[in-house]
Amino acid sequence: GESVGLHLPTLSVQEGDNSIINCAYSNSASDYFIWYKQESGKGPQFIIDIRSNMDKRQGQRVTVLLNKTVKHLSLQIAATQPGDSAVYFCAENSNSGNTPLVFGKGTRLSVIA
Amino acid sequence: DTGVSQDPRHKITKRGQNVTFRCDPISEHNRLYWYRQTLGQGPEFLTYFQNEAQLEKSRLLSDRFSAERPKGSFSTLEIQRTEQGDSAMYLCASSLVRQGAETQYFGPGTRLLVL
Repeated sequence: GESVGLHLPTLSVQEGDNSIINCAYSNSASDYFIWYKQESGKGPQFIIDIRSNMDKRQGQRVTVLLNKTVKHLSLQIAATQPGDSAVYFCAENSNSGNTPLVFGKGTRLSVIA
Repeated sequence: DTGVSQDPRHKITKRGQNVTFRCDPISEHNRLYWYRQTLGQGPEFLTYFQNEAQLEKSRLLSDRFSAERPKGSFSTLEIQRTEQGDSAMYLCASSLVRQGAETQYFGPGTRLLVL
């Protein structure tokens, strides 16, 4: 079936370095993508989203890149901080958001001080 | 704090008992979703409501599970005759549907342990 997945289950980075978390999706009908951050014992927290008519979107210290040709999504975190340590999920839906979200397994980001 | 609240935050029950969870969405949001998350996995969709209408249920939602949103505001998820395999985090999310993309905001979850 169609799914959203992640390339790397764990990522360790030095404090201050940039982090890149990758995600592949297989549903060609997907047109809306979201990155969530989940800390231990908490619900997923919205970070940034992107629609399929865009290739790049920037937020505060975060950038999402979308490559529809290869069905790839990435989250870049600039100047990674200890507070960024969490599990990051990409999620997608289609029909401009009128379907439930499909999540990948997640990538655990560990920031080394 | 996203504005979505869930109660209780933790629930321990014995196999065979019934449990009920509550979700209060962001007040102006018309859609409410239930997801289940097991350790090391991403959330999996269970069901969702638009206002008081339940629009979709996944295959994960067995006949022991029932969800309601009677007045289009808060929602309840009931699990009857709980099994150990029901142990998971149950997440609620809400969104405001409008033209274009819809962002779902999650609550803190209810962690269920079935002994």
